[in-house]
Amino acid sequence: QLQLQESGPGLVKPSETLSLTCTVSGGSTSSSSYYWGWIRQPPGKGLEWIGSIYYSGSTYYNPSLKSRVTIYVDTSKNQFSLKLTSVTAADTALYYCATEVGKQQPNSFDYWGQGTLVTVSS
Amino acid sequence: QAVLTQPSSLSASPGASASLTCTLRSGINVGTYRIYWYQQKPGSPPQYLLWHTSDSDKHQGSGVPSRFSGSKDASANAGILLISGLQSEDEADYYCMIWHSSGHYVFGTGTKVTVL
Repeated sequence: QLQLQESGPGLVKPSETLSLTCTVSGGSTSSSSYYWGWIRQPPGKGLEWIGSIYYSGSTYYNPSLKSRVTIYVDTSKNQFSLKLTSVTAADTALYYCATEVGKQQPNSFDYWGQGTLVTVSS
Repeated sequence: QAVLTQPSSLSASPGASASLTCTLRSGINVGTYRIYWYQQKPGSPPQYLLWHTSDSDKHQGSGVPSRFSGSKDASANAGILLISGLQSEDEADYYCMIWHSSGHYVFGTGTKVTVL
């Protein structure tokens, strides 16, 4: 049973870079059976997919965020990470890491972390 | 206009059936899409329920009761999540999702289900 845990700063200043890490247990980030993704949810609002990465390094990003987003995997630490540059208040959200189970998209997001709240404010 | 539009809220009585719609934007044909459904309770991450492409191509999430089922209404260009025998524990937000043809996931706007 996969378990995911997000970590990172809860407060980021406008124009700076948001960096979050998801630590995976119960499975390997080097496995061909999973895609590793990030999804966010502004307070009181709906879900927005940010992007996903496959163990091979192939990435898939939300077109609306693509210019600011990088997702990468650190297999030595069994983690994957999110970087979002030039943040504004609109990036304030609960950020979830989640796992797609499958070797080819599309898949369902079967496993989710509990989420971490990131506030963008000076 | 959102890619996937859901009614913001729906109320129903215990034991009743609730039909949640996920309408695809004009120009995006529901017939070819796999529609995913998630349930989110307050303070918790979303949980995968099921996906539905057709009656012969569908999947129920592990441990998801059979009273949750999916379908499509081609005339409305919509995916549907049907909850039969509504229970108080079904009170939650529900989101649909698709893998858009341009290669990215899109979530619906979400429906808040209240069990009266």
